[in-house]
Amino acid sequence: EVQLVESGGGVVRPGGSLRLSCTASGFSFDDFAMSWVRQAPGKGLEWVSGINWNDASTGYADSVKGRFIISRDNAKNSLFLQMNSLRAEDTALYYCAREGGGSSSNQAFDVWGQGTMVTVSS
Amino acid sequence: SYELTQPPSVSVSPGQTASITCSGDKLGDKYACWYQQKPGQSPVLVIYQDTKRPSGIPERFSGSNSGNTATLTISGTQVMDEAVYYCQAWDSSSYVFGTGTKVTVL
Repeated sequence: EVQLVESGGGVVRPGGSLRLSCTASGFSFDDFAMSWVRQAPGKGLEWVSGINWNDASTGYADSVKGRFIISRDNAKNSLFLQMNSLRAEDTALYYCAREGGGSSSNQAFDVWGQGTMVTVSS
Repeated sequence: SYELTQPPSVSVSPGQTASITCSGDKLGDKYACWYQQKPGQSPVLVIYQDTKRPSGIPERFSGSNSGNTATLTISGTQVMDEAVYYCQAWDSSSYVFGTGTKVTVL
């Protein structure tokens, strides 16, 4: 079964840091680009960051650029998001998502995890 | 930055057709996709590359994209289709999601 499982969420004070992880199973992880997408409570979806299959290319939303770092370890089928200088507005459910199409991306997220909650509060 | 605009809500009677629009500058020049999200659940991809349905998605879901508007159509809408639907596209090295449309089946 194709599956993504996120972990690492929690409560952190403004200015603090947190590292999210996503473990993939059921597919060849190193064949796919991956992204993090977040959803603030009661709000819509927001793309946060993405990384291509071999770690050579990354992208960030303007709202997190310079504060968040995406990375992956293909040997461990894992995706990461290092979040620094956290703000109240970063409070959200963070999803790990697979970009469909393999090496020929179809620019759509075809597999999603269940999400891990990040709360930034003093 | 690029924006995708959707109507906040759409109401449809069971068995009828629901159409959800997604508007963005020259959206027809990009690929659009659509997600369904039910309360407390992760999003599910229902349409990608404008018109394609992933495996397991019912045929009643279809999509189109031209000009500045992409449209998701649900034919013969069922009660189980009640959800929030988001469009999404890729622009200038970023993925952009639409504002979301709550579809109510009553």
